[in-house]
Amino acid sequence: KAGVTQTPRYLIKTRGQQVTLSCSPISGHRSVSWYQQTPGQGLQFLFEYFSETQRNKGNFPGRFSGRQFSNSRSEMNVSTLELGDSALYLCASKMSGGTDTQYFGPGTRLTVL
Amino acid sequence: AQSVTQPDIHITVSEGASLELRCNYSYGATPYLFWYVQSPGQGLQLLLKYFSGDTLVQGIKGFEAEFKRSQSSFNLRKPSVHWSDAAEYFCAVGAQGNAGGTSYGKLTFGQGTILTVHP
Repeated sequence: KAGVTQTPRYLIKTRGQQVTLSCSPISGHRSVSWYQQTPGQGLQFLFEYFSETQRNKGNFPGRFSGRQFSNSRSEMNVSTLELGDSALYLCASKMSGGTDTQYFGPGTRLTVL
Repeated sequence: AQSVTQPDIHITVSEGASLELRCNYSYGATPYLFWYVQSPGQGLQLLLKYFSGDTLVQGIKGFEAEFKRSQSSFNLRKPSVHWSDAAEYFCAVGAQGNAGGTSYGKLTFGQGTILTVHP
């Protein structure tokens, strides 16, 4: 079974631009979560989508948004990019329930210049 | 609010030596606990998890962890480290059960412990 895939793997943007990252979960998984990883703040939860609905949200500004499609694929969008948004963005999928294990993708490395 | 503390930022061991990585958590209800490993430029790979039952859990690559509720700890151990174990290790806690329906997908991670293995 294929793992979680994320595209693109690397991205360079400039301040003020917006960016869209994509995540395809493991087949059969209906929950997709997004995390931001930076050297200073570590791994921080952004949000979780389940059956096309946002089920949980972390403490990030409204510039960070996401959505999930009927095939469980998810996208996250960051508008008006800031230098501090440079990070590794990780997507994780799981089947559905609270005790299911999250499986992580390789991440998208975003650099904001 | 849930939190995880990994007191050791960096640990260095010799190949063949035993290893223990510390993890302390704070969570009001019954937690579920994970250890993940991350190699440079890679995503997170699950080593092991604890939901309930036996407090000593076995994982992949010869790792094990022991859940101690009285100490709010979930330390990771390996009896003999291999050079390929060099990586960053993350402990994480998640909500078990409904928890108001707001915590299902959220894992809270520790800051990570970088493991260096000397030959």
